[in-house]
Amino acid sequence: EAEVAQSPRYKITEKSQAVAFWCDPISGHATLYWYRQILGQGPELLVQFQDESVVDDSQLPKDRFSAERLKGVDSTLKIQPAELGDSAMYLCASSSSGTDYNEQFFGPGTRLTVL
Amino acid sequence: GENVEQHPSTLSVQEGDSAVIKCTYSDSASNYFPWYKQELGKRPQLIIDIRSNVGEKKDQRIAVTLNKTAKHFSLHITETQPEDSAVYFCAVKYSTLTFGKGTMLLVSP
Repeated sequence: EAEVAQSPRYKITEKSQAVAFWCDPISGHATLYWYRQILGQGPELLVQFQDESVVDDSQLPKDRFSAERLKGVDSTLKIQPAELGDSAMYLCASSSSGTDYNEQFFGPGTRLTVL
Repeated sequence: GENVEQHPSTLSVQEGDSAVIKCTYSDSASNYFPWYKQELGKRPQLIIDIRSNVGEKKDQRIAVTLNKTAKHFSLHITETQPEDSAVYFCAVKYSTLTFGKGTMLLVSP
């Protein structure tokens, strides 16, 4: 069964450093999502792509976060510089389209610790 | 934006008992309501969902009910088993998916 892949699984960095996370969605899925999940809470959407275009990045802290999906397939989320409050699980998800009833499939996540 | 409240935050039951988790939402235009299960250290996985034009949906031991007028929906798990122990998240979709804060369900043998 096809799954969403993410790497790395774990990342430890010092504050003010740059970090990058990679996501490979399920083949053929046009919509890709990046979520942040703080311990003990539900996932919060950071950015949504439809193919290579950003559909929603209203909750993305654009002063330090950036996301791209250049060829409409895999995606990279970057944080520069990292802050202590960025420690969280970063989840990638994909769906066949962004329409109302399509299931989102989640990847295993990248757990970021900022020291 | 959409506001989703989920209760309770923790729920402990004995094996074989039923468990009910409730969520309320604010935007009456929301039209899709999935429930995700997240086991410790694993990815969230969809367990059941319901659309706004349906009042109830059942899949074996799991059911979801939706009251659009009151803007709340609930997850019902019957005959709970220890492997049901996990964190359960409700979610609501209007333009994007908004998740509740989660309910940690512990089923004791």
